[in-house]
Amino acid sequence: GAVVSQHPSRVICKSGTSVKIECRSLDFQATTMFWYRQFPKKSLMLMATSNEGSKATYEQGVEKDKFLINHASLTLSTLTVTSAHPEDSSFYICSASPGTSGSYEQYFGPGTRLTVT
Amino acid sequence: AQSVTQLDSHVSVSEGTPVLLRCNYSSSYSPSLFWYVQHPNKGLQLLLKYTSAATLVKGINGFEAEFKKSETSFHLTKPSAHMSDAAEYFCVVPVGGYGNKLVFGAGTILRVKS
Repeated sequence: GAVVSQHPSRVICKSGTSVKIECRSLDFQATTMFWYRQFPKKSLMLMATSNEGSKATYEQGVEKDKFLINHASLTLSTLTVTSAHPEDSSFYICSASPGTSGSYEQYFGPGTRLTVT
Repeated sequence: AQSVTQLDSHVSVSEGTPVLLRCNYSSSYSPSLFWYVQHPNKGLQLLLKYTSAATLVKGINGFEAEFKKSETSFHLTKPSAHMSDAAEYFCVVPVGGYGNKLVFGAGTILRVKS
């Protein structure tokens, strides 16, 4: 149980275009979803937290107009990288939690490798 | 602010020998602490979690970790490494409670030699 999928697993796009990444909880309802970014040989950094039906809460330094997050249902959250540039190339990972309080585990997706050329 | 420091970026062991991955934490109180493992092309998987119930925590795949308040440490150990243990391991502290924001250590890549 507790499976989270991401699509696509890899994407290459041209500079200036937008890319959408999907995160789905397959066998549970995800009240809260999180988006992380992992730079090469670095740890994961939380980008934003989203609760179903609410606006996402972005971490300091993350451009909300560039990284659009939509958590429209209890099983789906999307991250859209708008007007992507080479510096946006990274590994993006989502996680999902069945609750909002501090007693629920986060389940992670396998990640999406974004390359902007 | 809560944070974790993983003391080794890479650890290399031979198959069948013990594994020790080190993690120190910084917190003004006794925090919850987790270890996650990341295999290539797979999602992060929770290995074990400490939530103040018992200082010695047993996890999956034979891993365990001991919370030592006097040393502010939460080192991950396994008596005998297996080739399938080769992966990246993250020590993690939740901010605001379990399930809320997670702060990750820098990660330790474990290599297992045959």
